[in-house]
Amino acid sequence: GAGVSQTPSNKVTEKGKYVELRCDPISGHTALYWYRQSLGQGPEFLIYFQGTGAADDSGLPNDRFFAVRPEGSVSTLKIQRTERGDSAVYLCASSLSAGSTDTQYFGPGTRLTVL
Amino acid sequence: QKEVEQDPGPLSVPEGAIVSLNCTYSNSAFQYFMWYRQYSRKGPELLMYTYSSGNKEDGRFTAQVDKSSKYISLFIRDSQPSDSATYLCAMRHMNTGNQFYFGTGTSLTVIP
Repeated sequence: GAGVSQTPSNKVTEKGKYVELRCDPISGHTALYWYRQSLGQGPEFLIYFQGTGAADDSGLPNDRFFAVRPEGSVSTLKIQRTERGDSAVYLCASSLSAGSTDTQYFGPGTRLTVL
Repeated sequence: QKEVEQDPGPLSVPEGAIVSLNCTYSNSAFQYFMWYRQYSRKGPELLMYTYSSGNKEDGRFTAQVDKSSKYISLFIRDSQPSDSATYLCAMRHMNTGNQFYFGTGTSLTVIP
């Protein structure tokens, strides 16, 4: 079946603008995760959803970042007043549930560039 | 200090060589250990998953965990040019297992 998909694949914006990044998880996966990967670094956890609710948002860097998953499937990561330091690849992953042994499957990422 | 340390490389080996990739960690609560492969401009792809100490083998890949030393390894036998990628180690806690902690990744090139 289809894997995790993310749109857009690339996003270029200007400092101060608002952006939305979309994630379509694997069908039937209840857990969804957002990570940020800066150049030369490993992915860094941002937020995790179990169903519609954000079960852990401890990785969101500040209140400019917000994510939703209103119907328990597609999720949108929203960044307000973008800054140049927000430039990174934003990765989404999903897993069947949130159990410790459940594998996270990653999407290809959205490359965000803030000019 | 980062919770997970990984030498970023780059590492360059001839085809057929045995490759050894390593990570160290500081948090003894980590119980689940994973290795991901990431090709350029792609998302990470799970290679190996191990729980606690010991070895696990899958084809040309062997994952090794030494909890007493807080050290994990991935060995690749008979390396192929198609193995050229960045290899990321990742770990999660036993009780709060939803958050993965990644290393920085090691860039590997296998030369034909």
